Amino acid sequence: KAGVTQTPRYLIKTRGQQVTLSCSPISGHRSVSWYQQTPGQGLQFLFEYFSETQRNKGNFPGRFSGRQFSNSRSEMNVSTLELGDSALYLCASSVGQGLNEKLFFGSGTQLSVL
Amino acid sequence: GESVGLHLPTLSVQEGDNSIINCAYSNSASDYFIWYKQESGKGPQFIIDIRSNMDKRQGQRVTVLLNKTVKHLSLQIAATQPGDSAVYFCAENISGAGSYQLTFGKGTKLSVIP
Repeated sequence: KAGVTQTPRYLIKTRGQQVTLSCSPISGHRSVSWYQQTPGQGLQFLFEYFSETQRNKGNFPGRFSGRQFSNSRSEMNVSTLELGDSALYLCASSVGQGLNEKLFFGSGTQLSVL
Repeated sequence: GESVGLHLPTLSVQEGDNSIINCAYSNSASDYFIWYKQESGKGPQFIIDIRSNMDKRQGQRVTVLLNKTVKHLSLQIAATQPGDSAVYFCAENISGAGSYQLTFGKGTKLSVIP
């Protein structure tokens, strides 16, 4: 079974631009979560989607948004990029039917904002 | 403050020795805990999990201990190998209705000395 796939692997943007990151979950997984990882803050929860609906959202500004498609693939968008948005953005998938499930992570998209 | 934290940011062990990585959590409502391993350039990889109705769980060369009295979690790695060198994160889940969100600790970097 293929793992969680994230594209692109690396991105370089400038302040004020917007960016879209893509995630394909493991086949059969209906829940997709997004996390931001930085050296200073560690791994922080952004949001979680299940069956095309956002079920939970972390404490991030409205510039961070996401969506999920009918095939469970997900995208996240960051608008008006700031230098502090430079981070590794990780997508994780799970079956989505229970409360305590293993999250399987992709390798992430490394975003650098200049 | 942070709900999940690690006692030591770095840990160096001799190859073949046992490693113990510790984690403290503050939310008594947490009922599911996971340990992840993250190697350079990769996303977090699931190692082992434990539910709050257990105090010990064993996997292949790894054991997780949960002490709910003092809100402490530890990961023991037996016969540490160079391939175990990575950053280890503990994560907790606070069960909620219809969603799944992990809170991660900052991580402990394990270095194995050959």
